[in-house]
Amino acid sequence: AQRVTQPEKLLSVFKGAPVELKCNYSYSGSPELFWYVQYSRQRLQLLLRHISRESIKGFTADLNKGETSFHLKKPFAQEEDSAMYYCALNGNTGKLIFGQGTTLQVKP
Amino acid sequence: EPEVTQTPSHQVTQMGQEVILRCVPISNHLYFYWYRQILGQKVEFLVSFYNNEISEKSEIFDDQFSVERPDGSNFTLKIRSTKLEDSAMYFCASSGYSGANVLTFGAGSRLTVL
Repeated sequence: AQRVTQPEKLLSVFKGAPVELKCNYSYSGSPELFWYVQYSRQRLQLLLRHISRESIKGFTADLNKGETSFHLKKPFAQEEDSAMYYCALNGNTGKLIFGQGTTLQVKP
Repeated sequence: EPEVTQTPSHQVTQMGQEVILRCVPISNHLYFYWYRQILGQKVEFLVSFYNNEISEKSEIFDDQFSVERPDGSNFTLKIRSTKLEDSAMYFCASSGYSGANVLTFGAGSRLTVL
């Protein structure tokens, strides 16, 4: 079965601290993994995708097929990073399967 | 930057009433989707639409739901007879092609069924 798991509902850190939002997936083939972000009162928007291997707003995520993980990391959190983060899997049918989401709260 | 537009932003309806949620996808996109998010729960896939037909639907998308692309720009989700449990945020999304491409989401339509 296709599944995305984000074990933390809430992650609270201080500004400048490192951040890691965990994501594990279950998929038998070769999935494409994404991180979407939803800032307060805004729409879901793409943060990054694993095939791009890029860093957006200081965030990176590496696909680890052995551990079936796609954790999102940032070395120094900023207050403007506070948002809801969703890990999502595309099993090549176009449909996205989302995790439960993690609220990141960056305190001053 | 092109956006997916959804109307209404919020609709309140009585149980048993029909509701139509409207979406204007990005103009050169070919794949269209509806997702929903019940308060406090995760975003769930409802249906995907391509070439004027449903390409995939979830178990949630039962006979009470239908989608239509009535003209070249709109993409609608109809709920024939709403139930209390249909109360949710409904997101429309579109993409240029299936598979590896990125979905662009609308801001959502909040449906409240009383």
